[in-house]
Amino acid sequence: IQLTQSPSSLSASVGDRVTITCRASQGISTSLAWYQQKPGKAPNLLIYVASTLQSGVPSRFSGSGSGTDFTLTISSLQPEDFATYYCQQFNSYPWTFGQGTKVEIK
Amino acid sequence: DVQVLESGGGLVQPGGSLRLSCAGSGFAFNSYALTWVRQAPGKGLEWVSNSGSGGSTYYADSVKGRFTISRDNSKNTVYLQMNSLRAEDTAIYYCARIVVVTVTNVYYFDYWGQGTLVTVSS
Repeated sequence: IQLTQSPSSLSASVGDRVTITCRASQGISTSLAWYQQKPGKAPNLLIYVASTLQSGVPSRFSGSGSGTDFTLTISSLQPEDFATYYCQQFNSYPWTFGQGTKVEIK
Repeated sequence: DVQVLESGGGLVQPGGSLRLSCAGSGFAFNSYALTWVRQAPGKGLEWVSNSGSGGSTYYADSVKGRFTISRDNSKNTVYLQMNSLRAEDTAIYYCARIVVVTVTNVYYFDYWGQGTLVTVSS
């Protein structure tokens, strides 16, 4: 199953609302997670089962979608949110990641 | 605190072998599946292999037949034996704990190690 994220990169300002999309090549129900990765660090889980916020993750992050189309939304971008974001599907093997979306400072 | 810690990375020649280790602590290791995910320099994440709590194993097509995952629950450790290494296997290899809720087909990686670098070069 191929996951395609869009955009591949974006520039935004602190306080902006940011939306990242992830499209699956076939239906995956809600078997999708989102991760944040900062340079030189391991990925960090944000969302699982498409819309469930991981414990400790700020509520400005939210996820939605099912089937083939999913979104990650950051309601008000904070300085610490500048990073690369990945979606991952768990519906069937081989598990796959999207190519990533880099969120940069405008 | 839950921790996973990778070790064993290094420089190896093409065609060579390397064994990575992932030690878990702070949780009931034998009740969890563990995974390896890699990231080539400047590239995205690639799932590599899983070791299920019941002994099941899964592999990405890119490593099938060359890599073998195993676990020793008495040592709280998962291993990734990598043979016939290629330049394209050069990457940071991360180990992560998998949360599995089989009745609802829910999976996710909740704790990650800091990674270990594998470089395949002559």
